[in-house]
Amino acid sequence: ILNVEQSPQSLHVQEGDSTNFTCSFPSSNFYALHWYRWETAKSPEALFVMTLNGDEKKKGRISATLNTKEGYSYLYIKGSQPEDSATYLCAFIGDSGNTPLVFGKGTRLSVIA
Amino acid sequence: EPEVTQTPSHQVTQMGQEVILRCVPISNHLYFYWYRQILGQKVEFLVSFYNNEISEKSEIFDDQFSVERPDGSNFTLKIRSTKLEDSAMYFCASSEFPRGGETQYFGPGTRLLVL
Repeated sequence: ILNVEQSPQSLHVQEGDSTNFTCSFPSSNFYALHWYRWETAKSPEALFVMTLNGDEKKKGRISATLNTKEGYSYLYIKGSQPEDSATYLCAFIGDSGNTPLVFGKGTRLSVIA
Repeated sequence: EPEVTQTPSHQVTQMGQEVILRCVPISNHLYFYWYRQILGQKVEFLVSFYNNEISEKSEIFDDQFSVERPDGSNFTLKIRSTKLEDSAMYFCASSEFPRGGETQYFGPGTRLLVL
């Protein structure tokens, strides 16, 4: 059974603070890692698909890094804003990409104005 | 921007009843998926669908579940005889290509409550 873990489970930060959280996944048979941002009552929004070890991707104030050898990815948010409040989900795919997304439990971020 | 839509947003049903959850995937996408999230747990894969047949299903997707693409736009998940443990948020997703490096676009979910 593949195990994808995210930490912390929840996080409260002040507006303007930068923050980061972690997704851990199996380091063998890696194919891709997906990051999603999910606001309550909305569709989970795709942020990044990461495939290469050492990859770093950026979308506005949000960026992510990937270490496939040790099996982790970090998501960073610079200068958090209240609208960043959401649950951030990572999902792992292994086995040449022919398997379903395996999700972590998510990190719930609350940004306090 | 194209999006995946789902109806209804909420459904309450009695145990043993049949429910049909509806999804309209993004129009040029060919690969469709259902996931669910039981409250407090991880999002779990149920089934993937391509070319009018199931391409993969999880252990959760037993004989009580079925999927269908009844026309060119809708993709449905049917639960024949609901159980209390079927209460969950059900997400539909679609992608243009099937491989794991491609983004899957999710709908907003249907929250199903079985009483």
